[in-house]
Amino acid sequence: AQSVTQLGSHVSVSEGALVLLRCNYSSSVPPYLFWYVQYPNQGLQLLLKYTSAATLVKGINGFEAEFKKSETSFHLTKPSAHMSDAAEYFCAVTGAGGTSYGKLTFGQGTILTVHP
Amino acid sequence: DAGVTQSPTHLIKTRGQQVTLRCSPKSGHDTVSWYQQALGQGPQFIFQYYEEEERQRGNFPDRFSGHQFPNYSSELNVNALLLGDSALYLCASSFWGPLQPQHFGDGTRLSIL
Repeated sequence: AQSVTQLGSHVSVSEGALVLLRCNYSSSVPPYLFWYVQYPNQGLQLLLKYTSAATLVKGINGFEAEFKKSETSFHLTKPSAHMSDAAEYFCAVTGAGGTSYGKLTFGQGTILTVHP
Repeated sequence: DAGVTQSPTHLIKTRGQQVTLRCSPKSGHDTVSWYQQALGQGPQFIFQYYEEEERQRGNFPDRFSGHQFPNYSSELNVNALLLGDSALYLCASSFWGPLQPQHFGDGTRLSIL
């Protein structure tokens, strides 16, 4: 079984400040992890993915995430927030085998607000 | 290059009715997955289709069924609608395999009265 916990349903930052969105996972098989962003009235857009090739993953729009197995975490960061980053962010996990194959399990989401 | 397209964008039904939602995958993709996203929640996996067969299924009752056609497009059918079925239904397409990123459509907003 797999699960994802996103700590903080709402995060608020000032424009230019560091963005940190937290994600912890639980998985009985080696996990593959993803971050998606959802703008109002739209579907989900893939930001980045971890597939065991490298623990630090760079994505689109200046976002990156670090896989830490010892902490079962995959936190999303961006050095400097932009107003256009305001959206809801979802962490998701899947696995390469068994009942988790190809099935994305999502966290509850974190709404990011960026203040001018 | 068209992405994932879903129809209709909005739908209003009453309890007990049935509904069919449609999805055309991104060009080249052969796998379609369906998710239900209730208000304020993360998407929940319903099922996944590949080679016209259901390959994975989430924790949803048999009222939820699907189909994939030879051109890889897909339908989601829900029978005996309940108020709790009100949600955004998202279709995602990909190449077959767990490492393949899933590309999402903008969803169908289903409201049950």
